[in-house]
Amino acid sequence: AQSVTQPDIHITVSEGASLELRCNYSYGATPYLFWYVQSPGQGLQLLLKYFSGDTLVQGIKGFEAEFKRSQSSFNLRKPSVHWSDAAEYFCAVGPISGNTPLVFGKGTRLSVIA
Amino acid sequence: DAGVTQSPTHLIKTRGQQVTLRCSPKSGHDTVSWYQQALGQGPQFIFQYYEEEERQRGNFPDRFSGHQFPNYSSELNVNALLLGDSALYLCASSLGGFYSNQPQHFGDGTRLSIL
Repeated sequence: AQSVTQPDIHITVSEGASLELRCNYSYGATPYLFWYVQSPGQGLQLLLKYFSGDTLVQGIKGFEAEFKRSQSSFNLRKPSVHWSDAAEYFCAVGPISGNTPLVFGKGTRLSVIA
Repeated sequence: DAGVTQSPTHLIKTRGQQVTLRCSPKSGHDTVSWYQQALGQGPQFIFQYYEEEERQRGNFPDRFSGHQFPNYSSELNVNALLLGDSALYLCASSLGGFYSNQPQHFGDGTRLSIL
């Protein structure tokens, strides 16, 4: 069964500092990969997705992620964090064979300090 | 362009009751998926509706059922509510059914509290 692991439950960074959120997946082939962000009391907003091709994908709000097949990772990065980036971030694996639904990690909560 | 809308935003029920949650997909989308997000957890897939039929189901009991209407909107019904059903219920819409690679767009959810 496919699974997603986000090793960091909570990360605190200073405003203006760089950010990297880790995501590892378990799957027999190349999956579709997603990063979503959830602000308190709100639903999930898609930041970016990877289906195929260039392993470095650009998303909204200045985020990017890099797919590394050898490490089964899809880490999310941002060069300079803003206070408004404080939220919960979820990595997810999507269906490519039609037999598996969207599977989410447990999330990483990002706090931003001045 | 309206996104995914869910109603109600909050709901309080007692054990044993039944509840119906509603979802209108993003304009142009024909597929609706439902997820349950317990506190401190990632969303878990309940089921997906496409062409008014349940196409795929997660590991949830039969107490959870749904429906999709001709206008693509959807309902999630939960019978015999348990305390453990307290969660944020998220609706996501997409285009093209389960085999499509189109990303899912999420609503803001319905917060269900069971007393």
